[in-house]
Amino acid sequence: KAGVTQTPRYLIKTRGQQVTLSCSPISGHRSVSWYQQTPGQGLQFLFEYFSETQRNKGNFPGRFSGRQFSNSRSEMNVSTLELGDSALYLCASSPGDFGDTQYFGPGTRLTVL
Amino acid sequence: EDQVTQSPEALRLQEGESSSLNCSYTVSGLRGLFWYRQDPGKGPEFLFTLYSAGEEKEKERLKATLTKKESFLHITAPKPEDSATYLCAVRGSTLGRLYFGRGTQLTVWP
Repeated sequence: KAGVTQTPRYLIKTRGQQVTLSCSPISGHRSVSWYQQTPGQGLQFLFEYFSETQRNKGNFPGRFSGRQFSNSRSEMNVSTLELGDSALYLCASSPGDFGDTQYFGPGTRLTVL
Repeated sequence: EDQVTQSPEALRLQEGESSSLNCSYTVSGLRGLFWYRQDPGKGPEFLFTLYSAGEEKEKERLKATLTKKESFLHITAPKPEDSATYLCAVRGSTLGRLYFGRGTQLTVWP
């Protein structure tokens, strides 16, 4: 089976712009979670989607949003970018139950200038 | 609140020198404890899932164990290619989300 794919892999934006990141889960997986990883904060949970519905949300401002499509593919959007949004954004997919293992994609490296 | 604490933060081992990494957790209704390995600039790679106290899993030089309060990742006779950051995460029943520790950065030198 193909693994989790994320596009683009690298992105450079300037402050104030917005960005959309994409994630394609493993075939058959219905849950997609998003994380932000920075050297200072480690892995921080953004949100989780299951069958097109947001199932969980982390403590991030409303500038961070996401959605999931009927084919389980997911996108996350960050509006009005700030310097502190520079990070590795990781997507993970799982079959759907809470005890299921999450499998991560390679991540999107976002740099905000 | 669910919490995960990993120790040590960093560990340097000589090739062949066995050791253990610790993951202490506080969670309501454990639904799973997960170990991942992460290389710089890459996504975490899944290693093990443990569900109940007393459970053990092995893969090559790695062995993961679980008690009611902590998990250990034992590394036997490590090689330089085992150098990576090892992440522990738990999922509880209260909120259902995955909580990650800060990781242990392992360096194995020849």
